[in-house]
Amino acid sequence: EVQLVESGGGLVQPGGSLRLSCAASGFIVSSDFMYWVRQAPGRGLEWVSMTHSISGTFYADSVRGRFTISTDNSKNTLYLQMNSLTAEDTALYYCANRGYWGQGTLVTVSS
Amino acid sequence: QAVVTQEPSLTVSPGGTVTLTCGSSTGAVTSGHYPYWFQQKPGQAPRTLIHDTSNKHSWTPARFSGSLLGGKAALSLSGAQPEDEAEYYCLLFYSGTGVFGGGTKLTVL
Repeated sequence: EVQLVESGGGLVQPGGSLRLSCAASGFIVSSDFMYWVRQAPGRGLEWVSMTHSISGTFYADSVRGRFTISTDNSKNTLYLQMNSLTAEDTALYYCANRGYWGQGTLVTVSS
Repeated sequence: QAVVTQEPSLTVSPGGTVTLTCGSSTGAVTSGHYPYWFQQKPGQAPRTLIHDTSNKHSWTPARFSGSLLGGKAALSLSGAQPEDEAEYYCLLFYSGTGVFGGGTKLTVL
């Protein structure tokens, strides 16, 4: 059974950093397209980043240069390193592959 | 960055048929945009219905189908059920970078 479980969210001050994790089971993270998608409270979905072993890594304009997506094959886990956070990054962050989604982890950027 | 457009809201009668569309500010949507469709109900994570224009997942009800129609990606629902009331999002890819549409709130009434 495929499962995606996000963790690492929380309250962080503006300018701070946070690393999100997405533990995967039932498939191999390194062999699939893996995404981070976020949703601000009461808003729509926003695509954040994607990684694939052959296609490479891609970022939305709003996070490029601040966020880094990566995988740890030994842990079958997807990560999102988020730096220079602002209030506009406050959202529920989901990880997903081409079919399955996690339940999300909440990031709140506030002083 | 491209802008992806969807109808803000649509209403369909139970048992009826409706088509949701997904347009691109850069021109016609093609299979090269790898259109995805997602369903999201309040308080829940999104669920992937369609990937790569028209491919369904095992959990996608047969009444949903994806296509390209008039230069847009389209999600058709035939035989709407009350449980289909939800927000629907499309996602297009532009050389690897994804852009979501603003979502369509579908009411079954």
